[in-house]
Amino acid sequence: GAVVSQHPSRVICKSGTSVKIECRSLDFQATTMFWYRQFPKQSLMLMATSNEGSKATYEQGVEKDKFLINHASLTLSTLTVTSAHPEDSSFYICSARDGGGAPNTGELFFGEGSRLTVL
Amino acid sequence: SQQGEEDPQALSIQEGENATMNCSYKTSINNLQWYRQNSGRGLVHLILIRSNEREKHSGRLRVTLDTSKKSSSLLITASRAADTASYFCAAGNTNAGKSTFGDGTTLTVKP
Repeated sequence: GAVVSQHPSRVICKSGTSVKIECRSLDFQATTMFWYRQFPKQSLMLMATSNEGSKATYEQGVEKDKFLINHASLTLSTLTVTSAHPEDSSFYICSARDGGGAPNTGELFFGEGSRLTVL
Repeated sequence: SQQGEEDPQALSIQEGENATMNCSYKTSINNLQWYRQNSGRGLVHLILIRSNEREKHSGRLRVTLDTSKKSSSLLITASRAADTASYFCAAGNTNAGKSTFGDGTTLTVKP
């Protein structure tokens, strides 16, 4: 099946620094990728929809200047948490939709997630 | 509030028993998907059911969809300890281009 790679899987950083997380679709072209945030024992909260070659669409309440998303190619989207603070500590997960698949397939392929800890 | 609300929130059963989880959603959908998440890991797609389908099977999984009640159920038959995980439903609206996840059901299968 389709594979989405997310890197790094774990990152610890100091408060005030910026952290970049990559999401790659390894064997398919992903015209659309999604970034989620998940708190312990909770569901996934959609942060933004990343479209290749255009600006990301952010969900209400998500600071676009805080969470920078870039989708420069059909196989790579990045999420940069800028000036990270302890409250940004969370599990961040990306997903990708196969743009070459049948229409309305809808299946999302998920990365393994990145656990961010801000000290 | 989010679409895709699962119940129960937590379910504990013995190995060999069947596990049933339910999901309700609020608006129209193109499809509904069930995912599994082991602790601290990403999500694994289990099964997708389209809005014009009523039931679907995959191995030990059986999913039903009732669009009139805006609900779906996931049945895992003959459960195993390895089925212990959180299960999420995601209401998909392809036109909107995104799926919205519910809060999940945490399933514990005791050996």
